[in-house]
Amino acid sequence: EAGVAQSPRYKIIEKRQSVAFWCNPISGHATLYWYQQILGQGPKLLIQFQNNGVVDDSQLPKDRFSAERLKGVDSTLKIQPAKLEDSAVYLCASSFGTGGGETQYFGPGTRLLVL
Amino acid sequence: EDKVVQSPLSLVVHEGDTVTLNCSYEVTNFRSLLWYKQEKKAPTFLFMLTSSGIEKKSGRLSSILDKKELFSILNITATQTGDSAIYLCAVVWGAQKLVFGQGTRLTINP
Repeated sequence: EAGVAQSPRYKIIEKRQSVAFWCNPISGHATLYWYQQILGQGPKLLIQFQNNGVVDDSQLPKDRFSAERLKGVDSTLKIQPAKLEDSAVYLCASSFGTGGGETQYFGPGTRLLVL
Repeated sequence: EDKVVQSPLSLVVHEGDTVTLNCSYEVTNFRSLLWYKQEKKAPTFLFMLTSSGIEKKSGRLSSILDKKELFSILNITATQTGDSAIYLCAVVWGAQKLVFGQGTRLTINP
């Protein structure tokens, strides 16, 4: 079974530039998550999709971050414009069900460096 | 405020030692507690705990949950250098929301 795929693996940009990340979850997984993990901290949930609808985006900085999952499968996360403090690893995860207690499977992450 | 706290934040031991990592939580509508191992990039799943007092075991790793005292421990016996990693505890609450602790960085010296 293929895992969660993410691209790119690394990205270096200058502040105020735009960047987009892509995630393809495990086939058949209804729920998709984007996390931000700053060095030395645990992952922080940015947004959670259930199929193509948003379940929770309460911690997404909506003035600069946006995400979509139009067909309920793959997803993109965009930052525009980027700030220095956005430097982090962006992790995508997916889970099969929509109820509580489902195990989430993580992709390899995209390491973003904003200069 | 919902939170997950892990301790210690960092731990250095010698190969062969036994370690115990701690995770305490305060959330509403608890559903489950997860342990992950993070080496280079993506966290990899270790255990999911939903019931108090039932030990989950996988090789040298084991974990148990206490829902009354709101904590979990992860034990690793006969540690090896390959166990060096960040161990993350996460709690699922409400409508499948997941909150992570800050992690414990474990270093196993040969």
